[in-house]
Amino acid sequence: DAGITQSPRHKVTETGTPVTLRCHQTENHRYMYWYRQDPGHGLRLIHYSYGVKDTDKGEVSDGYSVSRSKTEDFLLTLESATSSQTSVYFCAISELFDYNEQFFGPGTRLTVL
Amino acid sequence: AQSVTQPDIHITVSEGASLELRCNYSYGATPYLFWYVQSPGQGLQLLLKYFSGDTLVQGIKGFEAEFKRSQSSFNLRKPSVHWSDAAEYFCAVGLNYGGSQGNLIFGKGTKLSVKP
Repeated sequence: DAGITQSPRHKVTETGTPVTLRCHQTENHRYMYWYRQDPGHGLRLIHYSYGVKDTDKGEVSDGYSVSRSKTEDFLLTLESATSSQTSVYFCAISELFDYNEQFFGPGTRLTVL
Repeated sequence: AQSVTQPDIHITVSEGASLELRCNYSYGATPYLFWYVQSPGQGLQLLLKYFSGDTLVQGIKGFEAEFKRSQSSFNLRKPSVHWSDAAEYFCAVGLNYGGSQGNLIFGKGTKLSVKP
């Protein structure tokens, strides 16, 4: 299995509070991704990174920001959490850009009350 | 716009029976195609992938998939299902041109239940 960890694995927070989720990889892969998974929607891309300090928006980026100051870490921040951001969040990594093969972390279950 | 459709939300098969999960895609170029499996409470695991060449690809756990360009399909098959195959299966298309190159578009998933 690819060396990907996500922290925390579970979090309950209140509306309006800031939340940061961390993805850490030991594979030295260049590309990293944040997805959210919701019933009936599959996985939807929030943000992705194609290198240190290089990030871009995905399909559902509103309300989220990301940062990547080191190759191994990709942070997802909810500046002011809302109940609609209750979801399971997955991080993924990829090495070969052209072939898109991505490896996924174990996920973080976030509940916003 | 690019999209992936998995027409079956939930499928139930008997253990030992054959399985086919459907996947159709909409994409303007030759796609990269993937099937992932997700067991309850787990992350996604890659089952198999198609980039080019032989249109019948073999994956892990005895799965295979066939790329049919004329039908824009990439159906997943297994000749004999085991109880441990109960999971959710996701088809994905990899974008290989344009501003979103490198990204994946996922279908909404098919949940597989296996009867004893």
